[in-house]
Amino acid sequence: EDQVTQSPEALRLQEGESSSLNCSYTVSGLRGLFWYRQDPGKGPEFLFTLYSAGEEKEKERLKATLTKKESFLHITAPKPEDSATYLCAVQAWGTSYDKVIFGPGTSLSVIP
Amino acid sequence: NAGVTQTPKFRVLKTGQSMTLLCAQDMNHEYMYWYRQDPGMGLRLIHYSVGEGTTAKGEVPDGYNVSRLKKQNFLLGLESAAPSQTSVYFCASSYEAGGPGELFFGEGSRLTVL
Repeated sequence: EDQVTQSPEALRLQEGESSSLNCSYTVSGLRGLFWYRQDPGKGPEFLFTLYSAGEEKEKERLKATLTKKESFLHITAPKPEDSATYLCAVQAWGTSYDKVIFGPGTSLSVIP
Repeated sequence: NAGVTQTPKFRVLKTGQSMTLLCAQDMNHEYMYWYRQDPGMGLRLIHYSVGEGTTAKGEVPDGYNVSRLKKQNFLLGLESAAPSQTSVYFCASSYEAGGPGELFFGEGSRLTVL
């Protein structure tokens, strides 16, 4: 069964303290892995798509990487404005487009 | 550019009442989706549409109906609300179904069923 898990459930960092969020997935064949950011009371906002193991994408202080079983979202020298919930989602080959499976998210708090 | 707009943003219903959530997008996207988000469970797909006049069931369709009479609008209906339908509902749209999965979300509609 296709599945996405994320860890930790919540992460509290001091401003400038780098860390990583994990997304582990089980799918029959990965078509794409996506990262979204969700602010409180808002809808998710797209960040990255990764398609194959070894691929990396960067945006400001965020860098997403992908292996055959998991993805990491690395946050370098975070700022308070990086506080949000980060969602991971996967889509598998050979399935209809509705099969975008979301993980439960990691809630990140960056303390000044 | 408004993107994806949902109305209403908040609603309280009594068990057995009915209501409709409206989603409108101005990006000329073919594909539209309704998700619900519950604590610790991630986003779950309720229904989706691949174009005007089409609808299909997602992961958790029971108790909901949808309609896509116009390309820019996607309506989610609850005919007889139940407390288990208390949730935050998100509408999303995308340019290419089965594509890279980049979804554009609305800001959500928080529904409480008493």
